[in-house]
Amino acid sequence: DQQVKQNSPSLSVQEGRISILNCDYTNSMFDYFLWYKKYPAEGPTFLISISSIKDKNEDGRFTVFLNKSAKHLSLHIVPSQPGDSAVYFCAASGSPFESSGNTGKLIFGQGTTLQVKP
Amino acid sequence: KAGVTQTPRYLIKTRGQQVTLSCSPISGHRSVSWYQQTPGQGLQFLFEYFSETQRNKGNFPGRFSGRQFSNSRSEMNVSTLELGDSALYLCASSLGHGTGVFKEQFFGPGTRLTVL
Repeated sequence: DQQVKQNSPSLSVQEGRISILNCDYTNSMFDYFLWYKKYPAEGPTFLISISSIKDKNEDGRFTVFLNKSAKHLSLHIVPSQPGDSAVYFCAASGSPFESSGNTGKLIFGQGTTLQVKP
Repeated sequence: KAGVTQTPRYLIKTRGQQVTLSCSPISGHRSVSWYQQTPGQGLQFLFEYFSETQRNKGNFPGRFSGRQFSNSRSEMNVSTLELGDSALYLCASSLGHGTGVFKEQFFGPGTRLTVL
C-alpha cells in the first residue's frame, strides 16, 4: 500500500520557469512532510519541510504548499535552474516532536525526476 | 561539521553470505535511521535507533538487523543474502528527542550492495 504517491515520474521545464512537483498521501495521521533532492550516487539532501499546522512554507526559491483536506502537497521551485535537475522525493512522518513515537520513520514517495533545460 | 558517513561505499557479496554496513551520524545526532532504496520499491524504512535502542521497525524480514553503539554509531546486518537484497542502503541521522526539535533527517551517501 503506497501511502505517499508521486504520480509524475518525470518533469521537464525550461530554465527560469516554475517547476511544480506534486505529492499525494493517504494516511491522515501524517502531520509532517519533507522534500528531499537526490543526485545519482549521493544520499538524499533535505530541502524543505512543512508541519500540518501550516499550509505554506517558503525558503528562498523553494515553497511547499500543503492542502490537508485534499491530502496533497506540492513543491514549487522558482526560478528553476539547471542545477536543480535531480530526483525529488516527498516524505511523510508523524509529528516530529518528542511526544510522538514515530518521528524517526519517514515514508517516501517514488520520486520525480526533474530536468531543467538551459 | 562533518556529515553522515557510511562504510563501505560499495560491496559485492554472493547469495547466502552475510554483510555488515556501518554508519557514523553527524556529531551530536543521537537518532539513526536506515533505508533501502531499490528501483522497484523506492526508499523504504528499515529501522531507527535512538540511545542504543530500536524505536521503529519497517516491514523487513528478520534477516535484517541493526544496532547502535554508545557513541551513536550504527551498524546494520543482513544475513543469508538473497539476490533481491541488492540495493542502495542509506543511513540518516537526526538530533533525536528534544522538545521543539524538528527531526529533519540528514542522509549519508549510501552503501551500494550487489548480491551475485
